[in-house]
Amino acid sequence: SQKIEQNSEALNIQEGKTATLTCNYTNYSPAYLQWYRQDPGRGPVFLLLIRENEKEKRKERLKVTFDTTLKQSLFHITASQPADSATYLCAPENSGYSTLTFGKGTMLLVSP
Amino acid sequence: DAGVIQSPRHEVTEMGQEVTLRCKPISGHDYLFWYRQTMMRGLELLIYFNNNVPIDDSGMPEDRFSAKMPNASFSTLKIQPSEPRDSAVYFCASSSLQGGDQPQHFGDGTRLSIL
Repeated sequence: SQKIEQNSEALNIQEGKTATLTCNYTNYSPAYLQWYRQDPGRGPVFLLLIRENEKEKRKERLKVTFDTTLKQSLFHITASQPADSATYLCAPENSGYSTLTFGKGTMLLVSP
Repeated sequence: DAGVIQSPRHEVTEMGQEVTLRCKPISGHDYLFWYRQTMMRGLELLIYFNNNVPIDDSGMPEDRFSAKMPNASFSTLKIQPSEPRDSAVYFCASSSLQGGDQPQHFGDGTRLSIL
């Protein structure tokens, strides 16, 4: 069955450093993958989408990579700020169904 | 522009009662999704609609759950009778899925507690 793994332990980093979050998936081949941010008490908010034929996508301080051979996506936040503290969810597309399956997310804590 | 609007934000009720959650999607969006989020299972897709028609309800846990979309601007998720294990945060999301890769826009959820 399809499985998505994100690090369940919180990632603690210092302000100004680069945060790297990992998303691994097994048993399917998504055509695209999305990343969302979720703050406590709020719904997820879309950040970036990367397609299977794209190696890398950037948006301001955010960068996403997509390695279909390793079945892995990495999400980077450069020059991190305390305001980046949140839970980040990866969501690969369900092959051919145009719906998403969400990982459980990784909490990022950026300390000043 | 108004985002996805869900009501109520919080609901506390006793086991056995009927619960109705409401969602107003973003105007012009063709797809509407209902999700449930718990610590144990994360964010799970329950059902989704395209142009008000249910497409896939395989994520609905039991017959106690039902969802309707009577028009393009309103959807409900109903639980009857409710049970303590239904306690979770329920999210509604909408998207315009031309091309199948558009982002989903989420409401802020309904936090449901069944006592």
